[in-house]
Amino acid sequence: AQRVTQPEKLLSVFKGAPVELKCNYSYSGSPELFWYVQYSRQRLQLLLRHISRESIKGFTADLNKGETSFHLKKPFAQEEDSAMYYCALSGLGNTPLVFGKGTRLSVIA
Amino acid sequence: DVKVTQSSRYLVKRTGEKVFLECVQDMDHENMFWYRQDPGLGLRLIYFSYDVKMKEKGDIPEGYSVSREKKERFSLILESASTNQTSMYLCASSFWGQNYEQYFGPGTRLTVT
Repeated sequence: AQRVTQPEKLLSVFKGAPVELKCNYSYSGSPELFWYVQYSRQRLQLLLRHISRESIKGFTADLNKGETSFHLKKPFAQEEDSAMYYCALSGLGNTPLVFGKGTRLSVIA
Repeated sequence: DVKVTQSSRYLVKRTGEKVFLECVQDMDHENMFWYRQDPGLGLRLIYFSYDVKMKEKGDIPEGYSVSREKKERFSLILESASTNQTSMYLCASSFWGQNYEQYFGPGTRLTVT
């Protein structure tokens, strides 16, 4: 069964501190992993996908197949990073995304 | 710019009422989705559709039905609203085979009293 686990419901960090939002997955095949973000009063939107290997808004995420993890990281948190973050997994073909339960990041000034 | 619109931002209904939530997208997407978003439970898929008149159950379809008569429109129906259906409802759409890039609507906050 496909499953995405985000162990932290809430993560609070100080501005300028490093951030790591954890995501672990369970999938028998070769998954694609994504991070979605929802800022206050805004729509949920795609932040990044592991295939692209991009840094978006200073965030990066590396797929670790050995540990079945896809943690989201940023070296220096900013107040504008405060948001709800969802990790998501995509299987084969046109199957729906499987979302984790989300982690709310709060960056304290 | 992709636009996914939902008919209402806030809705208050009484227990037992029939409720319609409408979603329209303007990008000719094949896939459309309905989720509910609850604190601590994240996003849960209710129903999705890959084509007109086609529908598939998601993880929590009980108490809901859907209708897709036109490609751009996907409706969520609560046949007899109950208080446990009080939630934020999100609609999303994507191209076939590109479910990783879903475009979400602004959400409808439904309160059932």
